[in-house]
Amino acid sequence: KNEVEQSPQNLTAQEGEFITINCSYSVGISALHWLQQHPGGGIVSLFMLSSGKKKHGRLIATINIQEKHSSLHITASHPRDSAVYICAVLGADGLTFGKGTHLIIQP
Amino acid sequence: DAGITQSPRHKVTETGTPVTLRCHQTENHRYMYWYRQDPGHGLRLIHYSYGVKDTDKGEVSDGYSVSRSKTEDFLLTLESATSSQTSVYFCAISGFGLSGTSDEQYFGPGTRLTVT
Repeated sequence: KNEVEQSPQNLTAQEGEFITINCSYSVGISALHWLQQHPGGGIVSLFMLSSGKKKHGRLIATINIQEKHSSLHITASHPRDSAVYICAVLGADGLTFGKGTHLIIQP
Repeated sequence: DAGITQSPRHKVTETGTPVTLRCHQTENHRYMYWYRQDPGHGLRLIHYSYGVKDTDKGEVSDGYSVSRSKTEDFLLTLESATSSQTSVYFCAISGFGLSGTSDEQYFGPGTRLTVT
């Protein structure tokens, strides 16, 4: 079973700061998801990637398959980015989820 | 947004009573999943379906059963609810299976279940 670790568990930052959330996993995968869960509870898929880098607006996701590591970056962070960010890895037995990173962006 | 609804959205029930949660999709996706989310844990797979009448167990399936009689509906049943089943339950859908590399999972809004 894949072990998925996210760091940090909690992060509080000021508006405008550059944010990095990390995800590492123990077993080779075919793809990795980054999800966002807002305080209301809904879960939205941000990225699915299997190599390299993807960018969507102020969000950037990278993955290093050899090092079994992915990062999610937020540039020019804003209070509306406050949410729980969840990493999930796709292996032969489906998705294994990290416990999430709780991000708070203060004005 | 993918068309996924869950009902009920909130439920309080007593220990020992049966409970059924419903997931309904309008996307005609083949695969449907039930997860539970608990503090201190990542989302965990309960059961999934890979077609009408085709289901399989996930990581935490004990105490749960599922049924899928139509493409659009996936039911999760707690035959005799226990306090350990107090959780938030999420349904998800995808066009490809557990190992599919080219598709995302889309999540429903969640059902908050409290067993007293």
